[in-house]
Amino acid sequence: AQSVTQPDIHITVSEGASLELRCNYSYGATPYLFWYVQSPGQGLQLLLKYFSGDTLVQGIKGFEAEFKRSQSSFNLRKPSVHWSDAAEYFCAVYGQNFVFGPGTRLSVLP
Amino acid sequence: GAVVSQHPSRVICKSGTSVKIECRSLDFQATTMFWYRQFPKQSLMLMATSNEGSKATYEQGVEKDKFLINHASLTLSTLTVTSAHPEDSSFYICSAIGRSNEKLFFGSGTQLSVL
Repeated sequence: AQSVTQPDIHITVSEGASLELRCNYSYGATPYLFWYVQSPGQGLQLLLKYFSGDTLVQGIKGFEAEFKRSQSSFNLRKPSVHWSDAAEYFCAVYGQNFVFGPGTRLSVLP
Repeated sequence: GAVVSQHPSRVICKSGTSVKIECRSLDFQATTMFWYRQFPKQSLMLMATSNEGSKATYEQGVEKDKFLINHASLTLSTLTVTSAHPEDSSFYICSAIGRSNEKLFFGSGTQLSVL
């Protein structure tokens, strides 16, 4: 069975600092991988996705993620965080079905 | 943590029949529920947003008479695919937000196959 873990429940960074949100998955083959962001009280917005090809994927809002097959990871990064990035971030995996990670809450200090 | 139960996980039906998918929040009151659909090799598509006790708000291009959403209580929302056709075959997933309005919790999804 496939699964997704996001080891960090809550991360706090200062505005302007770099960010990395971790995502690890378990699946027998290479899945499709997604990162979504959820602003308070709202639904999901797709940040980026990986299906195949270049393992470094660029997304919206300055985010990028790197697929590392050897580590079964798909970590999300941003070089300089803005206060508006404070939100809940979900990693998701599509293999046999769509599975979401538990989410990581990002807080941004001024 | 909060749990959202979605049932059934998999359903196969004949063309022309209706299928009901349930989404329950097991340990919190879900003031808002979202229904998504996912086509193979694509991301999720938001179909509709439902608030408890009021009519669902459908996204553009989603037929509200085709995909009936009911959110009659704070713990249950249902999606009924009426007169299903093969093109309705897809993966459907619900998510819910509680009164704290902070975080989404997801159901496990329903794979619908219409023959």
